[in-house]
Amino acid sequence: KQEVTQIPAALSVPEGENLVLNCSFTDSAIYNLQWFRQDPGKGLTSLLLIQSSQREQTSGRLNASLDKSSGRSTLYIAASQPGDSATYLCAPSLTYRGSTLGRLYFGRGTQLTVWP
Amino acid sequence: NAGVTQTPKFQVLKTGQSMTLQCAQDMNHEYMSWYRQDPGMGLRLIHYSVGAGITDQGEVPNGYNVSRSTTEDFPLRLLSAAPSQTSVYFCASSYSGGGIYNEQFFGPGTRLTVL
Repeated sequence: KQEVTQIPAALSVPEGENLVLNCSFTDSAIYNLQWFRQDPGKGLTSLLLIQSSQREQTSGRLNASLDKSSGRSTLYIAASQPGDSATYLCAPSLTYRGSTLGRLYFGRGTQLTVWP
Repeated sequence: NAGVTQTPKFQVLKTGQSMTLQCAQDMNHEYMSWYRQDPGMGLRLIHYSVGAGITDQGEVPNGYNVSRSTTEDFPLRLLSAAPSQTSVYFCASSYSGGGIYNEQFFGPGTRLTVL
């Protein structure tokens, strides 16, 4: 079974800092890995999708890297803003599960607070 | 596009009652799935479908039924609600043509309380 751990569990920083959110997974045979943000009481918003053949993916101030062999992904947030406050979730899927390739495995997330 | 929509947003049931959580998507995605989210735990897969007429169980399927009669809709049925099914339920969909699974999109969720 794929186990996903996210560190830190919570992070509180002043506006403007560059942030690093870590995600580790136990099974390196991943198909792809997706990063989401979840605002309180809301659904999940997709931020980035990294295919297993990719090393990183960028969208605006966000950059996600993937190291399959070590079972790690990192989400970098540049110049953080109060609007970035949310819970961030990483979710890999496994490559050898046939029709269950679409299944995502979730950790508990990192709760980020960015204060002005 | 409306994306993935879910109804209702909130629901309170009594133990033993049944109900159906609705999920619809307008992106013509073959793959759809249901997750539940409980405090202190990651999201867990309940059921999924790779296309109309095809469904399968996920990690926590007991007490839930699904069917997929159309590409757009994937309802989740609670047969006899129990307090352990109090949770937030999310529906998700993605393109999955040719065995390739792309970015998954989630609905806003249904918050269910079983008394």
